[in-house]
Amino acid sequence: AQKITQTQPGMFVQEKEAVTLDCTYDTSDPSYGLFWYKQPSSGEMIFLIYQGSYDQQNATEGRYSLNFQKARKSANLVISASQLGDSAMYFCAMASGQNFVFGPGTRLSVLP
Amino acid sequence: DTGVSQNPRHKITKRGQNVTFRCDPISEHNRLYWYRQTLGQGPEFLTYFQNEAQLEKSRLLSDRFSAERPKGSFSTLEIQRTEQGDSAMYLCASSSTGTERDEQFFGPGTRLTVL
Repeated sequence: AQKITQTQPGMFVQEKEAVTLDCTYDTSDPSYGLFWYKQPSSGEMIFLIYQGSYDQQNATEGRYSLNFQKARKSANLVISASQLGDSAMYFCAMASGQNFVFGPGTRLSVLP
Repeated sequence: DTGVSQNPRHKITKRGQNVTFRCDPISEHNRLYWYRQTLGQGPEFLTYFQNEAQLEKSRLLSDRFSAERPKGSFSTLEIQRTEQGDSAMYLCASSSTGTERDEQFFGPGTRLTVL
């Protein structure tokens, strides 16, 4: 069965510092996609970044980068130069076949 | 069309009543998903349509839940005989098979409270 694990319920980071949010996944499908979403207190889910299982390079989108280690089945999100507006819940998700699964999330708090 | 819309945004109902939610996806998107999210948890997949066909339904979805997408555009999610455990945020998302990454765009959700 497909599963996403996020072992950090909460994280703190100082403004302007970088932070890494952990995500490990489990699937037997050779083809899958990994996503990160941000959910601020207002509730909307905002897409951040995508990594395909066959992509050779790590994905980057502005201040977001995904550290993809396929053999270890990990897809950690790195946020550089944290901003106060980055404070939110962050969810790692996987699309595999017809299945779509989200992790439990990590609450990131950026300190001034 | 600026995004996925959901109505109503909030619904309060008494236990045992039926409720229906509507989702309007981004117009060119052919895939539509329903999720349920409880406080402090990640979204839980409920069901998924490609055009008007319902291709996947979670085993966690009881028979009291039904979803339709009759013309491959908007979708409705109905919960019959609501229970207090149904209280949650119900999220709808849409995507297009024309993109490699099948990125899902989410609506604002419908918050259901069952008294």
